[in-house]
Amino acid sequence: QVQLQESGPGLVKPSETLSLTCTISGGSVSNYYWSWFRRPPGKGLEWIGYISYSGITNYNPSLNSRITISVDTSKNQFSLKLSSVTAADTAVYYCARRDTTGYYYFWGQGTLVTVSS
Amino acid sequence: DIQLTQSPSFLSASVGDRVTITCRASQGISSFLAWYQQKPGKAPKLLIYAASTLQSGVPSRFSGSGSGTEFTLTISSLQPEDFATYYCQQLNSYPLTFGGGTKVEIK
Repeated sequence: QVQLQESGPGLVKPSETLSLTCTISGGSVSNYYWSWFRRPPGKGLEWIGYISYSGITNYNPSLNSRITISVDTSKNQFSLKLSSVTAADTAVYYCARRDTTGYYYFWGQGTLVTVSS
Repeated sequence: DIQLTQSPSFLSASVGDRVTITCRASQGISSFLAWYQQKPGKAPKLLIYAASTLQSGVPSRFSGSGSGTEFTLTISSLQPEDFATYYCQQLNSYPLTFGGGTKVEIK
């Protein structure tokens, strides 16, 4: 069974860079597309961006200038960097796999990142 | 961006009730729509994809319908474990977008 696990600091200072990693177990990062999503407190879900196993990326234009998503096939991981964070970036961040159907069945448990000084 | 409008945003219902949630897209998205259930502290759970295809393992009381701009999620007989928040998501074009959610609570 494929499992995804997000990891990274739970607290980031304003103007700094949020960095998260998603580690995949029970399956390979190869041959799939991988996305990051987030859910701010009291709000709905937002798609951040995706990366393919070969490194093709597509980012949400609302965050485009601040996002970098990368993949490390040797570690079976992919990562998110979000720069110049503000309190509005406080959210539970999820990683997920886009299946061959094109839909997202496998998700990580989510990790809360709080932006505060 | 394609906007998804879910209604209602809040729903109070009893066990055994038939529940219908609507998702309207700001432009046609064919059948590229998914429905998720999310409980507090948990990841979203895929219930329906391609507007009407039941994800494997999801109880048959859940069903989806629609195409183009109007979609519905129906729970034929609400069970205690179904009290949660439900989201629609469009995958017709990027950026992917979600509806605002429908919270289903116990009456």
